[in-house]
Amino acid sequence: AQRVTQPEKLLSVFKGAPVELKCNYSYSGSPELFWYVQYSRQRLQLLLRHISRESIKGFTADLNKGETSFHLKKPFAQEEDSAMYYCALSGLNGNKLVFGAGTILRVKS
Amino acid sequence: DTAVSQTPKYLVTQMGNDKSIKCEQNLGHDTMYWYKQDSKKFLKIMFSYNNKELIINETVPNRFSPKSPDKAHLNLHINSLELGDSAVYFCASSQRDRPNYGYTFGSGTRLTVV
Repeated sequence: AQRVTQPEKLLSVFKGAPVELKCNYSYSGSPELFWYVQYSRQRLQLLLRHISRESIKGFTADLNKGETSFHLKKPFAQEEDSAMYYCALSGLNGNKLVFGAGTILRVKS
Repeated sequence: DTAVSQTPKYLVTQMGNDKSIKCEQNLGHDTMYWYKQDSKKFLKIMFSYNNKELIINETVPNRFSPKSPDKAHLNLHINSLELGDSAVYFCASSQRDRPNYGYTFGSGTRLTVV
């Protein structure tokens, strides 16, 4: 079974502070992991894919298979980063994308 | 050009009514989905169609009936609407043989049942 856990419902930081949004997963096969972002009342947008190892809007995420984690990090938060962030997992056989409960990131000035 | 488009954006209706939400994608994807986002912002998959064939049917009341006339369209019909059906419904699409590309989502349909 696929499971994604985001332990923090809300993360509040000051502008310029580092950000780490936690994500842990449970999956018996090889996972495909993603971070999606949802700005207020908008569609979900793909932020990062673990396979591409890219940095988008200053965010990075590294897959740690030993700890079954895929935490999202940014060294210096900006006010425009305030949004809901979802970690999501699917398997290589193209089965369903399962989401964590989401973490609201609030960046205060 | 919008990749995944849903209509309507907002839907307010009375309990007991029947309503439909439409979704279309122009990405050439072969798989489409419906997700429900509840009041706590939790996202749960409801259905998935691959090339017009139902492949995922989560534990959803049978008042919800998806229909896929072709691989670019996936509609959701809801009978006898209940207060608990109030939520945001998101359509999404993907290419099944490219799971590492993720899904592309529509802008959502906010359903309010009164």
